[in-house]
Amino acid sequence: DIQMTQSPSSVSASVGDRVTITCRASQSISSWLAWYQQKPGKAPNLLIYAASTLQSGVPSRFSGSGSGTDFTLTITSLQPEDFATYYCQQANSFPPTFGGGTKVEIK
Amino acid sequence: EVQLVQSGAELKKPGESLRISCEGSGYNFTTYWITWVRQMPGKGLEWIGRIDPSDSYTNYSPSFHRHVTMSVDKSISTAYLQWGSLKASDTAMYYCARLLTPGFNWFDPWGQGTLVTVSS
Repeated sequence: DIQMTQSPSSVSASVGDRVTITCRASQSISSWLAWYQQKPGKAPNLLIYAASTLQSGVPSRFSGSGSGTDFTLTITSLQPEDFATYYCQQANSFPPTFGGGTKVEIK
Repeated sequence: EVQLVQSGAELKKPGESLRISCEGSGYNFTTYWITWVRQMPGKGLEWIGRIDPSDSYTNYSPSFHRHVTMSVDKSISTAYLQWGSLKASDTAMYYCARLLTPGFNWFDPWGQGTLVTVSS
């Protein structure tokens, strides 16, 4: 299985801050990467797929980049509703695998 | 609106059997694979497997194969995940999700989740 490693595991930030989360794959996955947001007690929500394509309805302050093994999710100007846990997921190889998650907390 | 609605929370004893459901609406149910994901308490997301509702073809993660079974009833646009003999370690939230686009493993939308608790 392809291992997905996210860093940091948690980050404290303030409203208005820029936040960057990284995801590293154990082998090249081209651009076969998605990012999900999960709020407490809720199901995950797809934010970005194909490494950089914003899912319909997702605010433009979210962006994704990267290819191969290294990827980033950036949130510009963090909003109160963005405090959540974020997961990356590779879709290059069977089985799909998720990163361990990054919790974005209020500073 | 494309929607997946899952069955309610379950409390079971070890060794008991269980089937949970996921009903799709707002789209052609047989066009998009359904996937299942486990989230143990306080933990991350784990992919269990996927099923093609058009012909019930399945793929399982090796970690879950032989312990769970996926099925569908396309006449009622419903997918199922079932256990023949539950263990305490099956305690988790289980989500179903639809593939965003046929053939690509991006998952959207998701069901609201079914909490399964296994305790003696």
